[in-house]
Amino acid sequence: DIVMTQSPLSLPVTPGEPASISCRSSQSLLHRNGHNYVVWYLQKPGQSPQLLIYLATNRASGVPDRFSGSGSGTDFTLKISRVEAEDVGVYYCMQPLQTPLTFGQGTRLEIK
Amino acid sequence: QVQLQESGPGLVKPSETLSLTCTVSGGSVSGAFFFWSWIRQSPEKGLEWIGYIHYNGSNNYNPSLKSRVTISLDTSKNQFSLKLSSVTAADTGFYYCARLVSTILPNWFDPWGQGTLVTVSS
Repeated sequence: DIVMTQSPLSLPVTPGEPASISCRSSQSLLHRNGHNYVVWYLQKPGQSPQLLIYLATNRASGVPDRFSGSGSGTDFTLKISRVEAEDVGVYYCMQPLQTPLTFGQGTRLEIK
Repeated sequence: QVQLQESGPGLVKPSETLSLTCTVSGGSVSGAFFFWSWIRQSPEKGLEWIGYIHYNGSNNYNPSLKSRVTISLDTSKNQFSLKLSSVTAADTGFYYCARLVSTILPNWFDPWGQGTLVTVSS
């Protein structure tokens, strides 16, 4: 199985400040078609996960442009340029490249 | 806008079979580019993919659960279902249905259902 390891696990952030979450995979997620198969989700309190980023760098429809994804191979990053109060929750990375599909353990973002 | 809604018992006895149904509205389960999926979440294991099914009948299950899982699709009702047999307390958690969008490869889950809590207890 591909193991997805996130850091940090807890992330206190002051509103208006940037935030960054790392996700490392135990195997390369770069397909021969040139795409990196990494997805980012946000699970807000009391809700199901919602799609933020797919194919490592593509924002899903309706996702604010303060969210961005980067990386290739085994190292990926989700960045929030200016954190807002509505961004609190748990962020997960996921790999859909190989079954079983696997998720990271989650990073809890909280407002200072 | 596609929406998914899970339904089924919230309490299952140990050794029995957990059965859940996901009803899809606003879209068809017969789309070529979608795999209909189940995912569960618990404090112990986090988010765990259970498996998926395509309308052409092909499916794929997590090897850790494969011997106990069956996912089926009912195109006439626009629903898909999960059966998990021989449950134990370790199967307690939130169960989500989700649409897995596929382009060249399976790609991302969107949308997700709201989730349903299933507790395994006598």
